[in-house]
Amino acid sequence: SYELTQPPSLSVSPGQTAGITCSGHRLGERDVSWYQQKPGQSPVLVIYEDSKRPSGIPERFSGSNSGNTATLTISGAQAMDEADYYCQAWDSSVVFGGGTKLTVL
Amino acid sequence: VQLVESGGGLIEPGGSLRLSCGASGFTFRIARMNWVRQAPGKGLEWVGRIKSTEDGGTTDYTAPVKGRFTISRDDSKNTLYLRMNSLRTEDTGVYYCTTDLTVNYAFDIWGQGTMVTVSS
Repeated sequence: SYELTQPPSLSVSPGQTAGITCSGHRLGERDVSWYQQKPGQSPVLVIYEDSKRPSGIPERFSGSNSGNTATLTISGAQAMDEADYYCQAWDSSVVFGGGTKLTVL
Repeated sequence: VQLVESGGGLIEPGGSLRLSCGASGFTFRIARMNWVRQAPGKGLEWVGRIKSTEDGGTTDYTAPVKGRFTISRDDSKNTLYLRMNSLRTEDTGVYYCTTDLTVNYAFDIWGQGTMVTVSS
C-alpha cells in the first residue's frame, strides 16, 4: 500500500519560514493536499492540487510537489499557525501522512 | 455548507454502532462522501467513501474495516451513514464525515466529528 512520510515535529520562531515535507514514491505524479488541525478542532484544507489555496487561506501558505517530495511552506509563521499538519494524496484509496506538529515559539 | 455527525458513544468490543452525518448547504445527492477517523493522539485515517447515487453509489473501504463497516446514504434525507459491526478497541476515535465538494480528493468540508469509544 502507498505510504506518505512526514517528520513528526518542526519548531520555528515567529516570523521564520516553516517547511513541512511529505515523502512518497513518485509523489510528484500525484495531486497533494494539506490540512491544518488545531487541538480539539476538525481538519481544515489549506492547500490542494499541490499549490492552490482555498478561499480564506492566508497567502503565507504555499505548496510545491516534485519528485518524491511535497512541501508545505508557511512564510513568516505566526503563533496562530501552531497546529498539526497532514499531507494527503490519492493512490487506489485516500492516503494521509502521519502528521507534523508545528511549534511556533 | 455544513456536515453534522451524530451517533457516537461507548460500546463494548464486538458490538455495533451506526453513525449519521447530516448535510446542508450543498447538493448532497451529487456529492462523494467520505468517513475519516482519528484515534486519540494519533493521525488521520481514511475509513471509506461512497460515490454519488448517479455515479453508482459504490463504496470503498480501508483494509482494517472491510467486511465490518458499511457506508450508505439516503439522499432524500441528505444523510450519510456508517454502520460499524464487530467493533474492536482499535476502532476507538473521533469519526469525521467529509466531502471533496470543490476539487476531487481534496476534502474541503468537514463535520465536527463524533467520538466512538470501544471498551469493556
